[in-house]
Amino acid sequence: DGGITQSPKYLFRKEGQNVTLSCEQNLNHDAMYWYRQDPGQGLRLIYYSQIVNDFQKGDIAEGYSVSREKKESFPLTVTSAQKNPTAFYLCATLPGPLFGGPLHFGNGTRLTVT
Amino acid sequence: AQSVTQLGSHVSVSEGALVLLRCNYSSSVPPYLFWYVQYPNQGLQLLLKYTSAATLVKGINGFEAEFKKSETSFHLTKPSAHMSDAAEYFCAVSNSGGGADGLTFGKGTHLIIQP
Repeated sequence: DGGITQSPKYLFRKEGQNVTLSCEQNLNHDAMYWYRQDPGQGLRLIYYSQIVNDFQKGDIAEGYSVSREKKESFPLTVTSAQKNPTAFYLCATLPGPLFGGPLHFGNGTRLTVT
Repeated sequence: AQSVTQLGSHVSVSEGALVLLRCNYSSSVPPYLFWYVQYPNQGLQLLLKYTSAATLVKGINGFEAEFKKSETSFHLTKPSAHMSDAAEYFCAVSNSGGGADGLTFGKGTHLIIQP
């Protein structure tokens, strides 16, 4: 089955540690996105990538980093510089043609930092 | 910049009653608009989308939404609520790149269904 896999579903880290969230897709979609969800805040865009080896900052990129070395993969690193990293993180993809298409979402990773 | 306002963080209706979830948007370009549903600890599932064709859009699970340009609204309705409709609902508008640079989401409306 084609889909978006985010792993792990739950992740726990100590404050001050970097952590990498995985997002893999076998939909052959060109564009990939990372969103952060907090209660009552909706979804906010962290980073996105429209093609391999290229990515752009979203609205809340500070404290995060990404890479896009393969079309299928778009890992997100939450660095120790992120002041409030505890959140639900969602990865999404967009098929071509890019205009007007809906985002497809993975099932998310819940990160808890203590 | 695009923005989305969802009126009411929580909406409660009785089973069998009309569901109305409100969404107003602001966009500097002709918008693409979407409604998504989210169940606890899951990702978002597309309910329906507006992409400049018919202004009344039908989606899955009996939901529909009407695009009203003059009111910059895209409200979601369902004639008869079912217990399984209890979830979080998000309205979203495409960013300036037609969606290629992502969507802007509202803060969500939690739909509660009373038996």
